[in-house]
Amino acid sequence: GESVGLHLPTLSVQEGDNSIINCAYSNSASDYFIWYKQESGKGPQFIIDIRSNMDKRQGQRVTVLLNKTVKHLSLQIAATQPGDSAVYFCAEASYKLIFGSGTRLLVRP
Amino acid sequence: EAGVAQSPRYKIIEKRQSVAFWCNPISGHATLYWYQQILGQGPKLLIQFQNNGVVDDSQLPKDRFSAERLKGVDSTLKIQPAKLEDSAVYLCASSLGASSGAGANVLTFGAGSRLTVL
Repeated sequence: GESVGLHLPTLSVQEGDNSIINCAYSNSASDYFIWYKQESGKGPQFIIDIRSNMDKRQGQRVTVLLNKTVKHLSLQIAATQPGDSAVYFCAEASYKLIFGSGTRLLVRP
Repeated sequence: EAGVAQSPRYKIIEKRQSVAFWCNPISGHATLYWYQQILGQGPKLLIQFQNNGVVDDSQLPKDRFSAERLKGVDSTLKIQPAKLEDSAVYLCASSLGASSGAGANVLTFGAGSRLTVL
């Protein structure tokens, strides 16, 4: 579900390393999940999605893993680049889309 | 393809004043959404339209917020009177179809309208 917090969790990684961003969801009826990337001053941008009948989906440099047993979702970014610095949101959908509170990814040069 | 257009990008008002935001979705997108994003939080759905009909407005504070999509294309979101806690970014998004379970469509967001209430 949604968490209320003024301070976003932050993940700091070295450029070139892999990043793993985690997300817990609350609704076991959710059957569709999306990761969004939001850069400063912009709206969220679609990265990758996964349906509940899958446990893994790969895109270009990104992989989403879904563990329905523990209601956990993760986004893996390979060879993280400075342009990946942003806030990442997971969103779950049952009858409507609900966003999590987000994680800030900082990429160190 | 052109994205979701929103205006104004920034607005500063005093409490108890009114404000209106405008959104032009991607051409051909039947579903339009207004989200409120408070600093440090994820977007929260305020209202969802399917063409010109309201699908979900359960989180819209109807005593002060209103939204319309009269011709099933552009939409306006109004706040009257504004409160300090309304300070946020108001995001408009659109998708081809309704967001519903396994048939959920990908939402495309605009850049948002940042509201500051003093």
